[in-house]
Amino acid sequence: EIVLTQSPTTMAASPGEKVTLTCRASSSVSYMHWYQQRSGTSPKLWIYETSKLASGVPNRFSGSGSGTSYSLTINSMETEDAATYYCQQGSSYPFTFGSGTKLEIK
Amino acid sequence: EVQLVESGGGLVQPGRSLKLSCAASGFTFSNYYMAWVRQAPKKGLEWVATISTSGSRTYYPDSVKGRFTISRDNAKSSLYLQMNSLKSEDTATYYCARTTEGIVDFDYWGQGVMVTVSS
Repeated sequence: EIVLTQSPTTMAASPGEKVTLTCRASSSVSYMHWYQQRSGTSPKLWIYETSKLASGVPNRFSGSGSGTSYSLTINSMETEDAATYYCQQGSSYPFTFGSGTKLEIK
Repeated sequence: EVQLVESGGGLVQPGRSLKLSCAASGFTFSNYYMAWVRQAPKKGLEWVATISTSGSRTYYPDSVKGRFTISRDNAKSSLYLQMNSLKSEDTATYYCARTTEGIVDFDYWGQGVMVTVSS
């Protein structure tokens, strides 16, 4: 099983601040996907295949990485970006998610 | 608009069974793999099951293999999860999700249904 480790677990950012969330895989994966989950709602696919933005995702978000190290970056934090972000690998069974990074607004 | 609506959750005793349903609309259901993903209270996401377009292939993690069965009815655009021998650790919100073959992600999710396993 591929274990995904996200860091940090929680963080707070000020409006306009640049934010980077990381996800490390225990074995190499082909791509990483990212989900946003706001409090009390279902997860939404946010970034797929490492760097492609899902429909409706603002272009202040970006994704990058390869092998065992991936990241999600927000160029300029906005209040609506406060949420928990999960990474997920679909390269091999069982599909696994990271434990999430809770991003708060400062 | 893609819609996935789960039903069938509730309170069930340990060792008993429960069947979840998911009604899909807004896309050609028979063209897509489908999946169930769960989230225990205040916890992260856990993939539970995936089924191929025809239903001939199914996939599970070890945590539910042999206890849970995913199935589908393409004529009714419906997905199901039969859960047997339920344990307290199966307590979670269960999400129905549309998924892909190959580079697997979960691109649409339902609103979720709560399952509580407790005596």
